[in-house]
Amino acid sequence: SQQGEEDPQALSIQEGENATMNCSYKTSINNLQWYRQNSGRGLVHLILIRSNEREKHSGRLRVTLDTSKKSSSLLITASRAADTASYFCAPRDTDKLIFGTGTRLQVFP
Amino acid sequence: DTEVTQTPKHLVMGMTNKKSLKCEQHMGHRAMYWYKQKAKKPPELMFVYSYEKLSINESVPSRFSPECPNSSLLNLHLHALQPEDSALYLCASSQWGTGTGEQYFGPGTRLTVT
Repeated sequence: SQQGEEDPQALSIQEGENATMNCSYKTSINNLQWYRQNSGRGLVHLILIRSNEREKHSGRLRVTLDTSKKSSSLLITASRAADTASYFCAPRDTDKLIFGTGTRLQVFP
Repeated sequence: DTEVTQTPKHLVMGMTNKKSLKCEQHMGHRAMYWYKQKAKKPPELMFVYSYEKLSINESVPSRFSPECPNSSLLNLHLHALQPEDSALYLCASSQWGTGTGEQYFGPGTRLTVT
């Protein structure tokens, strides 16, 4: 399966700290996407990194991709309570996304 | 308008009922998706419509029947569901039919089967 596996499953930090989530996948990909989901709601696209890119930034988000290790990481800097959510990586298969297991992030004020 | 809307927000139905979920987008996207999500699990792909044609069916039971009346609308018809079908049903769309880019998600329909 192309599904990503994320680590850690859950992460609790204080506001202002950085949060790092890791994603591993199994086969070659075209791109890898990260999504956020607030409790019981729809997913929001955060960032897309292509297979020929190694790092990408968007605001407080930094994503890396290592295709040789089949892994990606999402770094959220200077976290806020509003960042509390579940985060999913989604390696893109030939014609569909397969969502990873997710990391539940809780940021305490 | 970058919004995907879904109705209803909540639905409770008996195992003998027939109901439909509706999804709408006005972004001119050519691919639309149905996902099922159980609590504390990732979304699982059910169906993909590309250019208004069903392109992927992830071996979903026939009690779920998708329909794409036009490029902006996506329906999911439900019949004779089981309690284990209770879940959050998410609709999404993406710009191109190949599903390569980012997907825009609706808020979901919380379905409870009694």
